[in-house]
Amino acid sequence: QSVLTQPPSLSGAPSQRVSISCSGSSSNIGNNVVNWYQQVPGKAPKLLISYDDMLSPGVSDRFSGSKSGTSASLAISGLQSEDEADYYCAAWDDSLNGLVFGGGTKLTVL
Amino acid sequence: QLQLQESGPGLVKPSETLSLTCTVSGGSISRNSYFWDWIRQPPGKGLEWIGSIYYSGNTFYNPSLKSRLTVSVDPSRNQFSLKVRSVTAADTAVYYCARRQGNSWGFDYWGQGTLVTVAS
Repeated sequence: QSVLTQPPSLSGAPSQRVSISCSGSSSNIGNNVVNWYQQVPGKAPKLLISYDDMLSPGVSDRFSGSKSGTSASLAISGLQSEDEADYYCAAWDDSLNGLVFGGGTKLTVL
Repeated sequence: QLQLQESGPGLVKPSETLSLTCTVSGGSISRNSYFWDWIRQPPGKGLEWIGSIYYSGNTFYNPSLKSRLTVSVDPSRNQFSLKVRSVTAADTAVYYCARRQGNSWGFDYWGQGTLVTVAS
């Protein structure tokens, strides 16, 4: 059971917009920055978003991050087949005194 | 271009010590504001942060693993290392080394990962 809660799976058709949620608490998302990662099977994760909503260099602007209270979201617009991957949120947790990841969301492009 | 490469045994016996080294190339491990971390991923499961070290030797450990961990750094070799003592099958995972941005806790460069299996 992850401290940060993500939907296990999500799907969308090409060109659609999808949003992946990450729910936490005041000890993590509510008080610290959120980062988002994309992981293609068999590969290392790739940093997409840092500081809640800052796009990493070289990452498509179809990706965007946002945060409100104790929840964060990653939005992907203009969905493409290459976006099919696992997505993880992460944040420091003040109570656990460690970095925590969400359980991951498997995105399928229909 | 910064590159990280994990190295170490792919098979470790239960109760023994898992040892991995990450070699950094294309940049200095002694650069200010960056930390050097270990993250692991059990087969078919999610990511787990293990621990972190600064070039000066300051460490941060996952509290759930802290009693079994040692992370060390060798700036002269541009390497940092991980030791996990008293391993069990639950420690079987792909182990990644990564560079972390100090303030954001974002991992912006990763190694390719190395699978470590704990089995007799």
